[in-house]
Amino acid sequence: DVKVTQSSRYLVKRTGEKVFLECVQDMDHENMFWYRQDPGLGLRLIYFSYDVKMKEKGDIPEGYSVSREKKERFSLILESASTNQTSMYLCASSPGQVAGNTIYFGEGSWLTVV
Amino acid sequence: AQSVTQPDIHITVSEGASLELRCNYSYGATPYLFWYVQSPGQGLQLLLKYFSGDTLVQGIKGFEAEFKRSQSSFNLRKPSVHWSDAAEYFCAVRTSNTGKLIFGQGTTLQVKP
Repeated sequence: DVKVTQSSRYLVKRTGEKVFLECVQDMDHENMFWYRQDPGLGLRLIYFSYDVKMKEKGDIPEGYSVSREKKERFSLILESASTNQTSMYLCASSPGQVAGNTIYFGEGSWLTVV
Repeated sequence: AQSVTQPDIHITVSEGASLELRCNYSYGATPYLFWYVQSPGQGLQLLLKYFSGDTLVQGIKGFEAEFKRSQSSFNLRKPSVHWSDAAEYFCAVRTSNTGKLIFGQGTTLQVKP
């Protein structure tokens, strides 16, 4: 089975803190994604990556950055956390660049910024 | 721009009743379409997907979906709902040129005993 692991399930951080959300996949997938999920808005893409050291902005990249130094790991960084970044964050991965390939999701990280 | 609309935010059905969740997409070419389910506090699990061939697609847990190009729809159906089907359901479209998965707003399914 494909495993996408988000190391932190629940975090509480203070406004202005730097926050790292880590994601690891064990299936040698080329593509990795970070989504944000909010009630009534569905899932919105923050950043995605097609390869190591490669990244592209999604629909809501403001206030976020990402890092992909190794193929299996994709980190989401909040440089200075704000209360409007309180949300559920979902990491995902998929093989290759064929659009029909399934995207596999982690269990999510609940972030509260106070 | 590509988009996905799930017109029903919340649906309640009785256990044993049939279910249909609606999904409409906007995309110029043939889309790659997905349905995911999310149980409370969990990640998303793929129910089924369509990218070519037969327009009626079978998925896990007894779900099926039908792709109708003329209506730009990909509705999810189940003939008899079980209490364990209570969850949030997301329709998504993936474009061939970017590989991004674009989601609808989600439909929350409540099952009455």
